[in-house]
Amino acid sequence: QVQLMQSGAEVKKPGSSVKVSCKAPGDTFISYAISWMRQAPGQGLEWMGTIIPILKTSNYAQKFQGRVTITADESSSTAYMELSSLTSEDTAVYYCARCQWEVKYFDLWGRGTLVTVSS
Amino acid sequence: QSALTQPASVSGSPGQSITISCTGSSSDIGTFNLVSWYQQHPGKAPKLIIYEVIKRPSGVSNRFSGSKSGNTASLTISGLQAEDEAEYYCCSYTGSRTFGFGGGTKLTVL
Repeated sequence: QVQLMQSGAEVKKPGSSVKVSCKAPGDTFISYAISWMRQAPGQGLEWMGTIIPILKTSNYAQKFQGRVTITADESSSTAYMELSSLTSEDTAVYYCARCQWEVKYFDLWGRGTLVTVSS
Repeated sequence: QSALTQPASVSGSPGQSITISCTGSSSDIGTFNLVSWYQQHPGKAPKLIIYEVIKRPSGVSNRFSGSKSGNTASLTISGLQAEDEAEYYCCSYTGSRTFGFGGGTKLTVL
């Protein structure tokens, strides 16, 4: 079964950065975009940004502008989401999802990566 | 604050139908037929159940249907089953390569 494989849970100190990876099936980057969402404990989903690997372009939610960077390594079919200047409010499960870019929906999701920010 | 507004909770008995609304604006739902819905069970990743307002992915039950009127999209679940108890999220393209999610609706099957 097709899956997006995310990296493992992280514990970070306030003020530091975290980088989460998402490995996709081989042909994903040719035809799809990769988006990142997060879900704080007991809260809803929040779109953070999307990368279109074939165009080498990324777009971010205004809330995270300047603090998030989404990249893609086509050679390894892996996308990355790096979030800097972490605070306790960034404690959440971070999901990557395959995005059907032409019609704007997320049809395949990773299992999520828990990032805990604590001193 | 979520970009889209959903009721916090809805409930129904087995066999009944329920509808979850998702209200946006003329800048998102009102302009784009690019609304999707996701089902999330506790501790699990979201699952796509509706895309492009009314379309169902292969493998999703035809008890799930979507619609839109003006700035509001809706998800209807007919013939409620115990396994439908979950959190449901709407999502809309909001232009300029950005997306917005609703705050989520908890469905309880009584």
